[in-house]
Amino acid sequence: QQQVKQSPQSLIVQKGGISIINCAYENTAFDYFPWYQQFPGKGPALLIAIRPDVSEKKEGRFTISFNKSAKQFSLHIMDSQPGDSATYFCAASYSGNTPLVFGKGTRLSVIA
Amino acid sequence: GAVVSQHPSRVICKSGTSVKIECRSLDFQATTMFWYRQFPKQSLMLMATSNEGSKATYEQGVEKDKFLINHASLTLSTLTVTSAHPEDSSFYICSARDSQGAAGNTIYFGEGSWLTVV
Repeated sequence: QQQVKQSPQSLIVQKGGISIINCAYENTAFDYFPWYQQFPGKGPALLIAIRPDVSEKKEGRFTISFNKSAKQFSLHIMDSQPGDSATYFCAASYSGNTPLVFGKGTRLSVIA
Repeated sequence: GAVVSQHPSRVICKSGTSVKIECRSLDFQATTMFWYRQFPKQSLMLMATSNEGSKATYEQGVEKDKFLINHASLTLSTLTVTSAHPEDSSFYICSARDSQGAAGNTIYFGEGSWLTVV
């Protein structure tokens, strides 16, 4: 049973455009929703994270939108750049020493 | 942000030997660390949860006698792949939970270790 479903699997965006990646979760006990960026051969780097008490969080060009009732959250990358080309993972966890549950990842390619 | 250091970044070992991978939280204490395995173009697969001072909790299908995990201090966890075989070749990544940071309960990842068994 996949607890976090991520889409699309791959995404191609023109430079300067908006990249949008969506995730849906099933476990209503989840209370922490991070996004990670991973470049080939590197470990995932925390990009931005949100908790269910807010509907949106913005850090620079990256924004998380969170819809608690729909059990969905999304990552928006504004003014996408070729350097943003990477694999993005959404994840979820709940309080305590529980591990993250990951989506399957989205391979983003930003083309000039 | 917080840093998790993983060493070695790449290691080649002969089949039948053991190899140890270290994971350190550099600027925070991590009571809980996690070990993942990642195959090419796939998501991270959780192998085990490592709690400081206690036995690790392994995910179903992960051989605890083959993948030995030790979390002897609040800043160090190790993964030892024993009697390695070519099918153990993979990208191993650790992560550590910072429960005391400003953001609260944030999980940071190491840069990963490429293991090649020949």
